[in-house]
Amino acid sequence: GENVEQHPSTLSVQEGDSAVIKCTYSDSASNYFPWYKQELGKRPQLIIDIRSNVGEKKDQRIAVTLNKTAKHFSLHITETQPEDSAVYFCAANGGSQGNLIFGKGTKLSVKP
Amino acid sequence: EAEVAQSPRYKITEKSQAVAFWCDPISGHATLYWYRQILGQGPELLVQFQDESVVDDSQLPKDRFSAERLKGVDSTLKIQPAELGDSAMYLCASSWGQGPYNEQFFGPGTRLTVL
Repeated sequence: GENVEQHPSTLSVQEGDSAVIKCTYSDSASNYFPWYKQELGKRPQLIIDIRSNVGEKKDQRIAVTLNKTAKHFSLHITETQPEDSAVYFCAANGGSQGNLIFGKGTKLSVKP
Repeated sequence: EAEVAQSPRYKITEKSQAVAFWCDPISGHATLYWYRQILGQGPELLVQFQDESVVDDSQLPKDRFSAERLKGVDSTLKIQPAELGDSAMYLCASSWGQGPYNEQFFGPGTRLTVL
């Protein structure tokens, strides 16, 4: 089955710096890769996603890149702000039913 | 804005007791998921419903866990008997349909502590 590895587990940056979180997946049939943000005590929320027919997708300060050959995808946050502090989860769909396999999460801390 | 509702938000129980969690998905969402999130890890799928039918329960410990969605709307997840290792956040999510591209909307979760 699908396995998703996520690195780093914790990331601390200064406000205004960029942050990059990387994930690898094992199932070459996976074709959908969402990223969820979970603030402390709150529900996970989708922030961006990418499909396998696209190499990069941007939404304001957030971008996701996908390398199908290497089976890895990354989340890029530019000009980080304190409100970006949260746990970020990557995921990959593990089959035609769309069941998501999540990484273990990255705790991002943005220091003012 | 419509949201997924869950109750209770917190549950403390002793091992060997029975517990039940309730989820009300966003109106019109046919697909409903139950996830378990152990502290410091990502959500792990327990069971997926399409309307009232179970689509995937391969990761559900069926000797103690059960889930139902009788009318294809709200759902209940039960654990009987609870064990210490069941302490976790139980998240419910819903989407318009099954398939990889349907955004999953999560509820606030039920935090279970088994003593």
